[in-house]
Amino acid sequence: QLQLQESGPGLVKPSETLSLTCSVSGDSVRSSIYYWGWIRQPPGKGLEWIGNIYYSGSAYYNPSLKGRVLISVDTSRNQFSLKLSSVTAADTAMYYCARQSTRCHDAWGQGILVTVSS
Amino acid sequence: DIQMTQSPSSVSASVGDRVTITCRASQDIASWLAWYQQKPGKAPNLLIYVASNLHSGVPSRFSGSGSGTDFTLTISSLQPEDFAVYYCQQANSFPYTFGQGTKLEIK
Repeated sequence: QLQLQESGPGLVKPSETLSLTCSVSGDSVRSSIYYWGWIRQPPGKGLEWIGNIYYSGSAYYNPSLKGRVLISVDTSRNQFSLKLSSVTAADTAMYYCARQSTRCHDAWGQGILVTVSS
Repeated sequence: DIQMTQSPSSVSASVGDRVTITCRASQDIASWLAWYQQKPGKAPNLLIYVASNLHSGVPSRFSGSGSGTDFTLTISSLQPEDFAVYYCQQANSFPYTFGQGTKLEIK
């Protein structure tokens, strides 16, 4: 059964870099069928697509994040990761990793709350 | 970016009612639209993909339709577990964008 699990610090200081990892079980990030992505949701607000990555390393990002985001994939560990630099309070959100299939997100992690605060 | 606008923003309904939620795209997205259900404290769950395809395990009371710029999600007979927030998402072009959500509440 497919499972995705986010991990990383729940508290990040302003101007620092947010780093999260998504561990995948029950499927392989090497699959040529899927992309693997990140979506976030500020408290009480809607969903924002951050970006996604293919097993080859080809990635797409949301321009709204102004070049602060990097998504990478580690096929040896069956994981993919998110780095978001120069964070501010506006980056406080629940961060979800997800599998992308047929241009939709068909499986999600449970999410991890990241708070940006000094 | 393609803007996605859902209506209504919230709706009150009773168990057994038929409910329709609308999603409008700011430009033609063909059939590249998905619908998700999100319950409090949980991750979203996929309901419908490519506008009208029911995701595996989703009850048949859920259906989707539309193409181009106008789409609908219909729940034919509301069940207690359907009260949640619903989001549409366009996947025609990057960046993928979501609607603002529709909160379905118990009347």
